[in-house]
Amino acid sequence: NAGVTQTPKFRILKIGQSMTLQCAQDMNHNYMYWYRQDPGMGLKLIYYSVGAGITDKGEVPNGYNVSRSTTEDFPLRLELAAPSQTSVYFCASRPPRGRDEKLFFGSGTQLSVL
Amino acid sequence: RKEVEQDPGPFNVPEGATVAFNCTYSNSASQSFFWYRQDCRKEPKLLMSVYSSGNEDGRFTAQLNRASQYISLLIRDSKLSDSATYLCVVNKRGYGGSQGNLIFGKGTKLSVKP
Repeated sequence: NAGVTQTPKFRILKIGQSMTLQCAQDMNHNYMYWYRQDPGMGLKLIYYSVGAGITDKGEVPNGYNVSRSTTEDFPLRLELAAPSQTSVYFCASRPPRGRDEKLFFGSGTQLSVL
Repeated sequence: RKEVEQDPGPFNVPEGATVAFNCTYSNSASQSFFWYRQDCRKEPKLLMSVYSSGNEDGRFTAQLNRASQYISLLIRDSKLSDSATYLCVVNKRGYGGSQGNLIFGKGTKLSVKP
């Protein structure tokens, strides 16, 4: 059972480059999320999706884009990388119902923009 | 007031000690509360949910005080393996999908020494 798979694990970008962080889950979860975590800080929500074809902005969406063409995949796109986007990125998913709103996280992507 | 605020830490304790973490939240409409554990450079993982009546899981006890908007986590007989950062997480209804979104505190770092 793979759970939530994120790729790549590490990436260094130059200012102005673009890239896509991949996220896939095999648990048939409707809800998927992208968070970023800066050193010593809590996780901040970038974008989320409640199902295929539906996405919405979180707390810090500027500089990012997402798409959700399938239930399984939720890629995060950085179009013009900036040093402020240096962070650890976590993708997460969860089922739509239930009292325990447990998030299943991917192992993270460490991104440096230089 | 920050949405979710935690003791800054770090907490450095000897093995066998009892340690308590506190957390306050600002949104009185929040309905779900959790403690997540995050090891260094790893993804957060659910430690336990926090229920209104308080709940216990082995050496871990979680308490909720809705009137004071306060959550606590007590770890008894701490082990070396308990060393990690503990994240207080609160659901924010109406944000992040129909079931709301989880808002993460910055976390409190615990270091258990032999």
